[in-house]
Amino acid sequence: QKEVEQNSGPLSVPEGAIASLNCTYSDRGSQSFFWYRQYSGKSPELIMSIYSNGDKEDGRFTAQLNKASQYVSLLIRDSQPSDSATYLCAVNRWSNYQLIWGAGTKLIIKP
Amino acid sequence: EPEVTQTPSHQVTQMGQEVILRCVPISNHLYFYWYRQILGQKVEFLVSFYNNEISEKSEIFDDQFSVERPDGSNFTLKIRSTKLEDSAMYFCASSEGDANNSPLHFGNGTRLTVT
Repeated sequence: QKEVEQNSGPLSVPEGAIASLNCTYSDRGSQSFFWYRQYSGKSPELIMSIYSNGDKEDGRFTAQLNKASQYVSLLIRDSQPSDSATYLCAVNRWSNYQLIWGAGTKLIIKP
Repeated sequence: EPEVTQTPSHQVTQMGQEVILRCVPISNHLYFYWYRQILGQKVEFLVSFYNNEISEKSEIFDDQFSVERPDGSNFTLKIRSTKLEDSAMYFCASSEGDANNSPLHFGNGTRLTVT
């Protein structure tokens, strides 16, 4: 089992709709969870961080964490073409403070 | 807003040559990292650095790799004898606290091409 799993996509969503991105992880001791956005050829850019169960909202973005089920998700409301990118989930490995990265989900917002 | 800066943006080198990739982390950050991303593949951890020493390194970070903080601002990654498979984007990142609690902030990357 991969430590952090994401559906590689591409996930195609019409403009204005809600995009839902999911991530599962294997280390039950993980405490910190991050969503990064990466445009092609660019560096990862932090979108959201979440540390406790439940929802965390920031503008059009909502991160959801469920530690019992070991998944974290990112919702993007009112999707825009500029949201088209690869979204990376990163989870800390509790034992050595290392961040473990998923392979990313490619999101395409269709005008 | 403070940012991590990396130079050069693109480096072309011949196989067997040494390269040094440079990074200036955000000034009040204490943890520094190097990651790489081979084209089309996932981001891979190389090494983390704290308190002037390596705190973690991956199996990718073998004897050909080294890091240094030669002064109070720069953080460098050296590859002693480059191989074709070292061609990748290399990202430097820094964080205020450790990765458990603090998000990483990335530089724009150096694209290394080994010919």
